[in-house]
Amino acid sequence: SAVISQKPSRDICQRGTSLTIQCQVDSQVTMMFWYRQQPGQSLTLIATANQGSEATYESGFVIDKFPISRPNLTFSTLTVSNMSPEDSSIYLCSVVPAGGTEQYFGPGTRLTVT
Amino acid sequence: GENVEQHPSTLSVQEGDSAVIKCTYSDSASNYFPWYKQELGKRPQLIIDIRSNVGEKKDQRIAVTLNKTAKHFSLHITETQPEDSAVYFCAATSGGSYIPTFGRGTSLIVHP
Repeated sequence: SAVISQKPSRDICQRGTSLTIQCQVDSQVTMMFWYRQQPGQSLTLIATANQGSEATYESGFVIDKFPISRPNLTFSTLTVSNMSPEDSSIYLCSVVPAGGTEQYFGPGTRLTVT
Repeated sequence: GENVEQHPSTLSVQEGDSAVIKCTYSDSASNYFPWYKQELGKRPQLIIDIRSNVGEKKDQRIAVTLNKTAKHFSLHITETQPEDSAVYFCAATSGGSYIPTFGRGTSLIVHP
């Protein structure tokens, strides 16, 4: 497995502002993903973070709203832009370690937009 | 694309009983089936997985079975304990992809 950290763990933000969430892994990974989990719901994939190139977004998610960076094999950021109360959710990064197929999740960032 | 159905949405059992959660999938190319446990306020944790070349896998009190013909797989927990209370998610991953499709989750409540 891999040790995954996320910052911040939680935040309360004003509508119209942006928040950048960081995901750091202690070892090189093949894949990094960003998920959203609304209260009592399942996990929804936002995008695959590609190293050195644009992220691959799932249907319903766009780069202008959720810009993602992945400058190297162990770090990625997700920005939630121009936030509204509907963006209140838990955001999780996940990784597939190099040489493996299992997916592991970070601790999550609990975002509340007021 | 893949579609994963999970049942039941809520399961309440007495401590010591067994619990079974069932999932079906639609894509016959799916070949990897992980199960995650998510305790309240925590991250989803991989607890067991099975690949399409295996029919059953067991790890202590937890077992997973896979029926490729019927396209369904199940999680079995024996001798349940209160600490087994959590939301459990099944998932299916198609060959060549690292991206699982998740079920909607089952909230398991184990009463002492």
